[in-house]
Amino acid sequence: AQTVTQSQPEMSVQEAETVTLSCTYDTSESDYYLFWYKQPPSRQMILVIRQEAYKQQNATENRFSVNFQKAAKSFSLKISDSQLGDAAMYFCAYRTRGGFYYTGANSKLTFGKGITLSVRP
Amino acid sequence: DAGITQSPRYKITETGRQVTLMCHQTWSHSYMFWYRQDLGHGLRLIYYSAAADITDKGEVPDGYVVSRSKTENFPLTLESATRSQTSVYFCASSVYPEDTQYFGPGTRLTVL
Repeated sequence: AQTVTQSQPEMSVQEAETVTLSCTYDTSESDYYLFWYKQPPSRQMILVIRQEAYKQQNATENRFSVNFQKAAKSFSLKISDSQLGDAAMYFCAYRTRGGFYYTGANSKLTFGKGITLSVRP
Repeated sequence: DAGITQSPRYKITETGRQVTLMCHQTWSHSYMFWYRQDLGHGLRLIYYSAAADITDKGEVPDGYVVSRSKTENFPLTLESATRSQTSVYFCASSVYPEDTQYFGPGTRLTVL
C-alpha cells in the first residue's frame, strides 16, 4: 500500500518570502500522480498543483512549483512571494496512474496528514 | 455553475440515529467519492462509485452505506451513528478515474 508522509505539522513564512513544504511517499509503483491540495479555513479542498511521475520536468503553477525527486520519493511544494491568502492547510496526495483496467479503487487519493501554513504580515 | 455541493454543511446528531449526507454534482461526472477528514489522518476514502448503481468500498467503509440511483447524486448514510464517526466529510467527483478529483465544501458532522 502507498503511504504519504508530511512530517512537519506547522510552518510559518513572512509575507513576500518563499517557503517550501515537504512531502515524502512510499510506493512500489513506477507510474503515478502526485498532488498538492490547499484547504483554507473555508474547508474547501482546492487543487494547487499536479505532477505526473513519468514527467521529469517539475510542475509549476504561477507562484507554486514542486521539486519532484522520484528516486528519493520526495515531492516538495515551493510557494514564492507568499501572500496572506496562502495561509491554509496543505495536503500532499498520491494516486496510482493505473493501467488498462482502472477502477475507482486505485483512483483513490492517498493523503498525508497535512501541514498548517501561516503567513506573517 | 454550481459544481459539486454538499448538504447539510453542519449536522449534530445523537448516537444511534440514522444520518444521511447528501452530495450533488452538476457536471455529470461518472466517478464520485466520499472521504472523511480526521485530525492526524488526512483524508481517507469511505466509498466510491464508478457510475449509477455501481459502488464499492474504500479504506474505512464500516458503519456507512451509499447508494447511487442517479449519476448526479451520491448520498452517504450512517445507519446508526457512533461518536467515532464525528468528522468532516467530503464528496468528490471526476470524469474518469484518472482525472483530477474536485471536492465539495464538506459537511461537519458531530455525533453526541
